[in-house]
Amino acid sequence: DAKTTQPTSMDCAEGRAANLPCNHSTISGNEYVYWYRQIHSQGPQYIIHGLKNNETNEMASLIITEDRKSSTLILPHATLRDTAVYYCIVRVAGDAGGTSYGKLTFGQGTILTVHP
Amino acid sequence: EPEVTQTPSHQVTQMGQEVILRCVPISNHLYFYWYRQILGQKVEFLVSFYNNEISEKSEIFDDQFSVERPDGSNFTLKIRSTKLEDSAMYFCASSQTLSYNEQFFGPGTRLTVL
Repeated sequence: DAKTTQPTSMDCAEGRAANLPCNHSTISGNEYVYWYRQIHSQGPQYIIHGLKNNETNEMASLIITEDRKSSTLILPHATLRDTAVYYCIVRVAGDAGGTSYGKLTFGQGTILTVHP
Repeated sequence: EPEVTQTPSHQVTQMGQEVILRCVPISNHLYFYWYRQILGQKVEFLVSFYNNEISEKSEIFDDQFSVERPDGSNFTLKIRSTKLEDSAMYFCASSQTLSYNEQFFGPGTRLTVL
């Protein structure tokens, strides 16, 4: 799986958009970008994923650059409850021809602090 | 909304004892996982399980660890002889398919080995 690089920490004011960047310059053509978050030692929570098109769901938007070497997770109106560690993970979907069965490789992630 | 549940929430044990951590995955899911997180460190993959057998495991998952799906609902992680360094938060996860890998995580079991 391709390596990802994220800032260690970021701050955001409540009600503003939080834009969390992720670099994945070695991403392969069949690798997806996934975002998970972990709120204070709870289990990680899936947020969104994408391949090359921008994606939006009820939680967030994912913007992937045209060359797919980086992406940005956008929380449009951050709340105090969005304070968490955000993980950008790159991996293939499916079983990669029988070599991988869903393993998620977590990095250190970005600690997002939303303040009043 | 369906969720993954784990019991107990906190387990304290003596070094050398066996522990069994229990998980109930979401009912129509087919793929099951265990991860652990030592305090202050990254979430680490331990094992994935599909069709009643291990499909992938990490270097951490040595002979002291085993997994089982004893019935149609439970998924267990057994540590045969616990060590101090096994103290961690253990998360169970499940997913319906591999295609998009949206894994649903449980709240975790905090294991403390004394």
